[in-house]
Amino acid sequence: NAGVTQTPKFQVLKTGQSMTLQCAQDMNHEYMSWYRQDPGMGLRLIHYSVGAGITDQGEVPNGYNVSRSTTEDFPLRLLSAAPSQTSVYFCASSYSPGTGLDTQYFGPGTRLTVL
Amino acid sequence: GQQLNQSPQSMFIQEGEDVSMNCTSSSIFNTWLWYKQDPGEGPVLLIALYKAGELTSNGRLTAQFGITRKDSFLNISASIPSDVGIYFCAGQALRGAQKLVFGQGTRLTINP
Repeated sequence: NAGVTQTPKFQVLKTGQSMTLQCAQDMNHEYMSWYRQDPGMGLRLIHYSVGAGITDQGEVPNGYNVSRSTTEDFPLRLLSAAPSQTSVYFCASSYSPGTGLDTQYFGPGTRLTVL
Repeated sequence: GQQLNQSPQSMFIQEGEDVSMNCTSSSIFNTWLWYKQDPGEGPVLLIALYKAGELTSNGRLTAQFGITRKDSFLNISASIPSDVGIYFCAGQALRGAQKLVFGQGTRLTINP
């Protein structure tokens, strides 16, 4: 298994540009989520999904959109990038609750800079 | 929203020393998790705690779920160079809930 994969690894955008951060997992996990990591603030939840076709907002959802058309993929879209979105973005996945295997596994991250 | 206070923020120790870090919360959590992050990588799960009072070991690592359910600690014994990294605690208010709340992290530096 490749686990959780993210692309690209690095990205530089200009203010106002749009882009999509890709996330895929091959472990047949129902749950997927996006976090951003900023210095001194740990990881903060942006959006999450409990299964294909179902998404919900996390702690810091403004400026980001998500969709979940398949179990494997959970892309994160920035419609109009702002410097405040400069961060490292992590995707994570896990099995459903109650399975005893519901701890989250993280991808390697995407480092985004918005100029 | 819920917040976790993790301390210390950074540690500078000699190889072979023991390490202790902790997390506290104003809210109750039903699951406590400890992750380690290496430079340029995503967090990797070290230990998961599911029951108040639970003490769990993973090699040289030991973690405990506080009996009040508002705190947890992680100990590393006999530190080695590969222990360098950032350690994060995380809490889940509901067992298996998707929403993880993370501490700010403890950056561990080891002098050989």
